[in-house]
Amino acid sequence: DGGITQSPKYLFRKEGQNVTLSCEQNLNHDAMYWYRQDPGQGLRLIYYSQIVNDFQKGDIAEGYSVSREKKESFPLTVTSAQKNPTAFYLCASIGNSMTSGGYTFGSGTRLTVV
Amino acid sequence: GDSVTQMEGPVTLSEEAFLTINCTYTATGYPSLFWYVQYPGEGLQLLLKATKADDKGSNKGFEATYRKETTSFHLEKGSVQVSDSAVYFCALRSDYKLSFGAGTTVTVRA
Repeated sequence: DGGITQSPKYLFRKEGQNVTLSCEQNLNHDAMYWYRQDPGQGLRLIYYSQIVNDFQKGDIAEGYSVSREKKESFPLTVTSAQKNPTAFYLCASIGNSMTSGGYTFGSGTRLTVV
Repeated sequence: GDSVTQMEGPVTLSEEAFLTINCTYTATGYPSLFWYVQYPGEGLQLLLKATKADDKGSNKGFEATYRKETTSFHLEKGSVQVSDSAVYFCALRSDYKLSFGAGTTVTVRA
């Protein structure tokens, strides 16, 4: 079945470390997104990419970085510059603008700073 | 820009009660509209969608009708169950991106 796979499900980071969250999709979707969700809060857009080798900052990009070297993959790096990284991170993808569908989401990665 | 305003929660109901979550939107053109559901510790799942005015999306007993005249897409269910306890998000699509409401937490008590 097609879908989005996020890994790991749980991740622990020490202060000052960079960590990378994986997101892979086999839906042949053009665009991919990273969202952050804090407890009891909505979704905030970190970065998105509409095509390979191109990406744009979302509303809260500071302290994060991404790459899009392959259509299927959109990893997110949480850098040491992100002062409050503990959150639930969601990856999503969407087909091209000629379709009417919504996002397909991964199951999320919960990042905790220890 | 495009935006979604969603009824604030939390909402607490008894089993078999009627559920309504209000959602209104602001957009240019005629966007597709969605309801997503998020269970604890999980990602968001598409619950239902509507792509044009007067369309009714339905799934698992939930319904929502795309009302262009009132720019609304309210979610309803006639008889909720404990298993419907979750966070519900209204969203609209503009080109490649979705804009989400803040989410409404629903708790159903037995």
